[in-house]
Amino acid sequence: GEDVEQSLFLSVREGDSSVINCTYTDSSSTYLYWYKQEPGAGLQLLTYIFSNMDMKQDQRLTVLLNKKDKHLSLRIADTQTGDSAIYFCAESMRGYQKVTFGIGTKLQVIP
Amino acid sequence: SAVISQKPSRDICQRGTSLTIQCQVDSQVTMMFWYRQQPGQSLTLIATANQGSEATYESGFVIDKFPISRPNLTFSTLTVSNMSPEDSSIYLCSVVKIQETQYFGPGTRLLVL
Repeated sequence: GEDVEQSLFLSVREGDSSVINCTYTDSSSTYLYWYKQEPGAGLQLLTYIFSNMDMKQDQRLTVLLNKKDKHLSLRIADTQTGDSAIYFCAESMRGYQKVTFGIGTKLQVIP
Repeated sequence: SAVISQKPSRDICQRGTSLTIQCQVDSQVTMMFWYRQQPGQSLTLIATANQGSEATYESGFVIDKFPISRPNLTFSTLTVSNMSPEDSSIYLCSVVKIQETQYFGPGTRLLVL
């Protein structure tokens, strides 16, 4: 079945880069997502990548996909205190289908 | 993208009662889903809300406990019936527009005493 795994916690200093890693098991996953959830807030779609891509960059965010190893990472450059949140890795076979989420990685940014 | 609103944003309820959560989108969407996020947990899909027909439920979720309506392409409701403290969660609706990805509403925070 589908499974998405990610570490629970990451702590970085303000200004450093953050790298959040994720692995998934379903090789038929076509869409791979990163969502952000700030305390007391809803879920914000940060970025997504198609399975036929290796990399996607969007301002401070870089997503890397290793399809062979089913490994996805999110790099946040110049991490700010406002980046403190829980980051969910997720996947779906199609954009309109069920999204399977990881447990979420809590990013703590130390001033 | 889509602008999604949910009502209520939060509620505190007594066990044994029911709560209906509304999800409204600013434009027509093809798919609407309801998810649950239990405290400290990830999101779990409850069901797909189908317009004009019965919702499609995931394993472990049943219509009697979580009745869902979707009367048109922009609106859906989820009812949490006969609530117990274990139903305390964040309930989120998500939507998909044609050839786009899923966007999530702000969530409804439910506490059952």
